Amino acid sequence: GNSVTQMEGPVTLSEEAFLTINCTYTATGYPSLFWYVQYPGEGLQLLLKATKADDKGSNKGFEATYRKETTSFHLEKGSVQVSDSAVYFCALKSRSGGYQKVTFGTGTKLQVIP
Amino acid sequence: NAGVTQTPKFQVLKTGQSMTLQCAQDMNHNSMYWYRQDPGMGLRLIYYSASEGTTDKGEVPNGYNVSRLNKREFSLRLESAAPSQTSVYFCASSESAGGLTDTQYFGPGTRLTVL
Repeated sequence: GNSVTQMEGPVTLSEEAFLTINCTYTATGYPSLFWYVQYPGEGLQLLLKATKADDKGSNKGFEATYRKETTSFHLEKGSVQVSDSAVYFCALKSRSGGYQKVTFGTGTKLQVIP
Repeated sequence: NAGVTQTPKFQVLKTGQSMTLQCAQDMNHNSMYWYRQDPGMGLRLIYYSASEGTTDKGEVPNGYNVSRLNKREFSLRLESAAPSQTSVYFCASSESAGGLTDTQYFGPGTRLTVL
């Protein structure tokens, strides 16, 4: 079956540090890949997505590139801010019958300190 | 637009009690979902409704029932709550369950504790 593996957290960084959160996946066919972010006390919201190999998703300074050869979709940001403190979920969407099943990773908590 | 709304935000139940979690969306989406979020396990799909009038089981449906009341509303019912159902429950919606690139929009969650 499909699976998403994320690096264990929590990740603690100082403001303006470089961020990488690793994500690798196992899936049949050609899934779409997503990063969702969950701020404290809130639901998940889409951060970025990529729908085919070599696509780069980007939003709010975050980027991730769909690497089919390494089955990876690592999240990066050049300079984190305190407001980026949240839990980040990698997810994939692939066909399962008529329903496009979404598989989530376990989440990586990021804490940015001033 | 309120997006996806859920009630209640918090709930404490005793084992064996029943309750219904309510969810509504105002984005005219066709598909709606219920997930549970447990530490170290990410989100797991309980039930989904691809379109008004249809519901299907997800990964962890045991102990739950759902009703797609209309296009806007999708409720989750626990008939006889158990401590293993202590979790945070999220409702989500999307334009179509069949869209490979479709984004899901999430509500703020209901934190449920079963004693």
